[in-house]
Amino acid sequence: ELKVEQNPLFLSMQEGKNYTIYCNYSTTSDRLYWYRQDPGKSLESLFVLLSNGAVKQEGRLMASLDTKARLSTLHITAAVHDLSATYFCAVDLTQGGSEKLVFGKGMKLTVNP
Amino acid sequence: DGGITQSPKYLFRKEGQNVTLSCEQNLNHDAMYWYRQDPGQGLRLIYYSQIVNDFQKGDIAEGYSVSREKKESFPLTVTSAQKNPTAFYLCAVGVWGGEQYFGPGTRLTVT
Repeated sequence: ELKVEQNPLFLSMQEGKNYTIYCNYSTTSDRLYWYRQDPGKSLESLFVLLSNGAVKQEGRLMASLDTKARLSTLHITAAVHDLSATYFCAVDLTQGGSEKLVFGKGMKLTVNP
Repeated sequence: DGGITQSPKYLFRKEGQNVTLSCEQNLNHDAMYWYRQDPGQGLRLIYYSQIVNDFQKGDIAEGYSVSREKKESFPLTVTSAQKNPTAFYLCAVGVWGGEQYFGPGTRLTVT
């Protein structure tokens, strides 16, 4: 059974600061996705990481994937209040011809002025 | 305009009643998924379908049923057998080997 763990689950940080959050998973997978969810809203796709060593950047967020360590990181640079949201990582699990995503519990980020 | 449509946005039902949540897409993707989200939790997969007239149970299928008669539509029925149906329900569509795109969600409250 594939388990996906995010660390930390809650983060409160000051504007302007940097921080890295982690997503670990328990079995082999080459594809990992990061999503953002605002309160009461649906999930918005942030990053698609499709191979070992993949790095994607969008604004103040940068995501990377190490498939050998089964680890993805989401680095926040110079945080701003608008980044406050819940961030989910999801790992692709393909078994027996079927494909599905397994989600972590999410990390709730609060950026304080 | 379009993409993925879920209706209604909010739904209230009495315990013991079945209720059907709608999910429609015009993205022409083959795969469709239903997830449940409880407060402060991640998403759990209920059912998924990779092609018309075929679907598979996810991790928490008990008390739910689906159909996939058309590529564009994947309705979810929450039956009276589901013990704790109050939740936020999200429909997603995707392509094989690619990311999933989520609809706006339906918030179901059962009292």
